[in-house]
Formats: sequence, structure tokens, C-alpha cells
Amino acid sequence: NAGVTQTPKFQVLKTGQSMTLQCAQDMNHEYMSWYRQDPGMGLRLIHYSVGAGITDQGEVPNGYNVSRSTTEDFPLRLLSAAPSQTSVYFCASRDGGTGTLGTEAFFGQGTRLTVV
Amino acid sequence: AQKVTQAQTEISVVEKEDVTLDCVYETRDTTYYLFWYKQPPSGELVFLIRRNSFDEQNEISGRYSWNFQKSTSSFNFTITASQVVDSAVYFCALRSNTGKLIFGQGTTLQVKP
Repeated sequence: NAGVTQTPKFQVLKTGQSMTLQCAQDMNHEYMSWYRQDPGMGLRLIHYSVGAGITDQGEVPNGYNVSRSTTEDFPLRLLSAAPSQTSVYFCASRDGGTGTLGTEAFFGQGTRLTVV
Repeated sequence: AQKVTQAQTEISVVEKEDVTLDCVYETRDTTYYLFWYKQPPSGELVFLIRRNSFDEQNEISGRYSWNFQKSTSSFNFTITASQVVDSAVYFCALRSNTGKLIFGQGTTLQVKP
């Protein structure tokens, strides 16, 4: 049982480059989300999805795009990388949609991204 | 607005000491979940506990215990007889009926041998 799988684990980008962080889950969870973790700031929500075809913005969405074409996959796209996007990115999934119903969130291993 | 505050940025203790990590939350919702996650040096996020707003019973799991008090909007986490392996960053988080999981800033716990 793989759970939540993120790729790559490490990435270095040059300013202005684009890339996609991949996230896949095999638990048939409806709810998926992306967070970034920065020192002293905890984890902040970038985008989330309550099901295939439905996405919405979180707390810090600027500079990122997402799509949810299948239940399993929720990729995060950086359109034009900036040094301010240097961070550790976590993908998470959980059962249940909006509201408080559902399980705890299961997290991927994280992607450490450096933009130079 | 939803908010989680972990006022303790870093805590350092000597092995076998007890340590309490504080968590204070803000929400206007009557139904919500509270969580604790552990992030060891390897970086992954490990789920520790979920508590719903209608269950104020304290929880004990081995050396870990949690004290949930709605009157003070607090959900504190105590490690009894700490061990070096407890060294990690600990996050408290809140999920209300928006479905979004809101994290505190995290508390770094260092347990020295």
C-alpha cells in the first residue's frame, strides 16, 4: 500500500523555469491538497481539491496552478519559478470532502525545491 | 478566522524529563477536529492523534497524552519520560467545516541524552 507518493524528492530550478511536482494516492481519497513548509511558518495551504474536476485556492496560491483530472493524481505546477518558492512541498490526501467528516490527512514524503 | 498558535518555538529537555507542548486554537465553528503531527529529522509527517470538538476526554497512548480543554481553546500534548527519539518538530492543526487543515507554526523539541 503506497499511500501518497510525491516525485521528485529534490529539485533545483533556475529562476523563470517551470516544473510540475507530481502527487499520486492509491487510497481512493476524495480530498487532496498541497502545502509548503517554510521555517517558522508551519505548513501553509497552497491549493486543494475536493474531488476530480474541482480545485480551489488555499492561503498562498500565487505562482502555482493545479488540476485534478483523476481521483488519484493532483499535480502542482510552478509556471515561472522564483527564489521565494524555495521550500519543502507536501501533498496530502484524506477521505471525505468538505466539512469535518473524514479521516486524518496522509502526507507524502515531501519535495525539497530550491530556486536559484 | 481559523488560527492555531504554538507559542513555544523550541524546547530542549534532558532525557527522561516530562515535556508539554502547548497548542491554542481559534475557530467560531462548533464542530471541528484537532490534530497533532510529528515531523522527525527525516522529514515525513507522522499522524499522532485526532480529536473532535465534542470529545473532551483526555487521551493517553503510552508515553503520550493529550489534554483538550474547550474552555481555554487548548489542545496540549505531553510526553512523559522523554527519549532522544522524541526529538522532532511537532505540529498542532485544526480542521473545521471548511475542510481545510490549518497548522500551527510548529514546536521543535530537542531531547538530549
